[in-house]
Amino acid sequence: AQSVTQLGSHVSVSEGALVLLRCNYSSSVPPYLFWYVQYPNQGLQLLLKYTSAATLVKGINGFEAEFKKSETSFHLTKPSAHMSDAAEYFCAVSDTGRGQNFVFGPGTRLSVLP
Amino acid sequence: NAGVMQNPRHLVRRRGQEARLRCSPMKGHSHVYWYRQLPEEGLKFMVYLQKENIIDESGMPKERFSAEFPKEGPSILRIQQVVRGDSAAYFCASSPSDRVGTEAFFGQGTRLTVV
Repeated sequence: AQSVTQLGSHVSVSEGALVLLRCNYSSSVPPYLFWYVQYPNQGLQLLLKYTSAATLVKGINGFEAEFKKSETSFHLTKPSAHMSDAAEYFCAVSDTGRGQNFVFGPGTRLSVLP
Repeated sequence: NAGVMQNPRHLVRRRGQEARLRCSPMKGHSHVYWYRQLPEEGLKFMVYLQKENIIDESGMPKERFSAEFPKEGPSILRIQQVVRGDSAAYFCASSPSDRVGTEAFFGQGTRLTVV
């Protein structure tokens, strides 16, 4: 079975600083990887996804992620944090079963300090 | 095109009552997924349905929980005889295809509180 780990349940950065949220996965087959963002009391919104095309994936709101097979990683970055980026971020991998049975990581809560 | 609609947004039930959570997928989407999010945890897959069929219920508790997606109307997640441990946020997602790699669109969730 596939699994996802996210190092750091809570990350704090200053406004304007680099954002780095870590995601590592385990998979015996080429994975499909996703980053979702959840604002308080809201559903999940897709930031970006990797589907075996380019290894550097650009998403919405200035976020991007790089797929590194050798490291089994899919870390999320943003060059300059904004206050509005404060939210919970989830990394997910598509299960090999039928349909989109995502396996989610535990999430990383991002705080942006003024 | 409206997004995935879930209702109610908040639901309070006493122990032993039944909870019914509704999900209307995006227009044109015939694949529905239910996830449960416990406090301070990620989302856990519960069940995957297509119209009138349960495709994968490997994440559903064996007792008290059931789901359906009828030919007409929304998908329903039903929890019978709720207990305190059922308190969680329940999210529904839909997609236009079951092809791996297809994005799933999430609703805003139903927050169930059992008192």
